[in-house]
Formats: sequence, C-alpha cells, structure tokens
Amino acid sequence: DTGVSQDPRHKITKRGQNVTFRCDPISEHNRLYWYRQTLGQGPEFLTYFQNEAQLEKSRLLSDRFSAERPKGSFSTLEIQRTEQGDSAMYLCASSKMGGSTYEQYFGPGTRLTVT
Amino acid sequence: GENVEQHPSTLSVQEGDSAVIKCTYSDSASNYFPWYKQELGKGPQLIIDIRSNVGEKKDQRIAVTLNKTAKHFSLHITETQPEDSAVYFCAASRGGSQGNLIFGKGTKLSVKP
Repeated sequence: DTGVSQDPRHKITKRGQNVTFRCDPISEHNRLYWYRQTLGQGPEFLTYFQNEAQLEKSRLLSDRFSAERPKGSFSTLEIQRTEQGDSAMYLCASSKMGGSTYEQYFGPGTRLTVT
Repeated sequence: GENVEQHPSTLSVQEGDSAVIKCTYSDSASNYFPWYKQELGKGPQLIIDIRSNVGEKKDQRIAVTLNKTAKHFSLHITETQPEDSAVYFCAASRGGSQGNLIFGKGTKLSVKP
C-alpha cells in the first residue's frame, strides 16, 4: 500500500500527558498537512509543511501543539499537557506541489481520546 | 477568511435515485474545490475535484458543477447504490502556497436498498 499512513490508529491518554503521532506521506509528495476532525464536523486545518519547512499554522494550533518534519519525509505531531478538548481524530494528508496538482490524499487518522 | 456552507446535513434516497449536495463559499480567491467521501472510522477519500477554470466535471456516476459568479458548487451522484452511503464533504482552497482546505460540515448520505 503506497497511501498515507498514520500511527498509532488509536490513542487513549490521561489528561496532562504528552502524546506524539506520526504520519508517513505518499513517497515523492513534498507537501504534508495536519487536520483535526471532531465528531460531526469537517476536518479543520492545523498546519502544513513543504519539504521540511513549516509554512503555515492555524490559530487552532496552540502552544501545546508542535509539529515537525525533520527530513522532509515523515512528520510528527506532539500535543503536550493534553486536555479533554483535544479528543478528536487527527488526520494527515499529503500532496505533490507543482504543475496542476492540488489533490490532497488523507491517511486513516489517529483517534485521540483524553480521559 | 474562507467559509464553506454545505447542505443538506442529511440526505436519504432510494437505490437508483440521484443525490445532490450543495456548497457555497465566501472567498472569491478560492480556485480549487474537491469533494471527499468518508466512511466510518476511515480518513476522507478524494472522489472528484474541480478547478475554477472549469464549469463541470464528470467521472462515471459522479459529477461536480461550479458557478463562480454565485460561489456555488454541487456534487451530483446518479444511480445511487447502497455502497454510496457515507458522509460527503466539500472543500475549498486558494491553492498554491495557501493550499490548506476549508471543509464544509458534511452531508450524511443514506441509500436505501
């Protein structure tokens, strides 16, 4: 399978703990996006990378959230001091910049439950 | 910023009927409009998209239309099948360096056999 992969698929954590999620994009895709989706809502943009550079962050990305893409391949999203309001599905998408390609392909998501 | 409104929130049709989902957007600079299908417990799957220089695009039973003047775009599914049952999301983007997608709230489509 050469699609976007995310790990773990599910994470249950206690309030106050730190969690880290990983996303592996489609190979040769140089753009990588993080979105958050709560129940009954559409995905909301958090941040995106072009290669290893983080180019945009949403106001939703509080200072407890940090994302990295150190070598321009996989990315990690860390949430520090988790709160119950962080419970959501965290989705990663990738796309290939350049030409006429705008399509973003999503991974299966990581469902976070904060108890 | 961009705002995308999607209607209806739920849609129930009989197998074989057509289904239409409509979206409006606010940012006149948006130029890319994808549609995603999301099944329970899965990530969104891109099913069709349209760019602002095109008024209509079709792929088998699925078509999308765009009215840039009115800032409307719609998804049309013909000859619906039970496996079309899912949540459908529209989205809008400026593309380029501002490629993040702004999503509607989704439409839950149920196709009854």
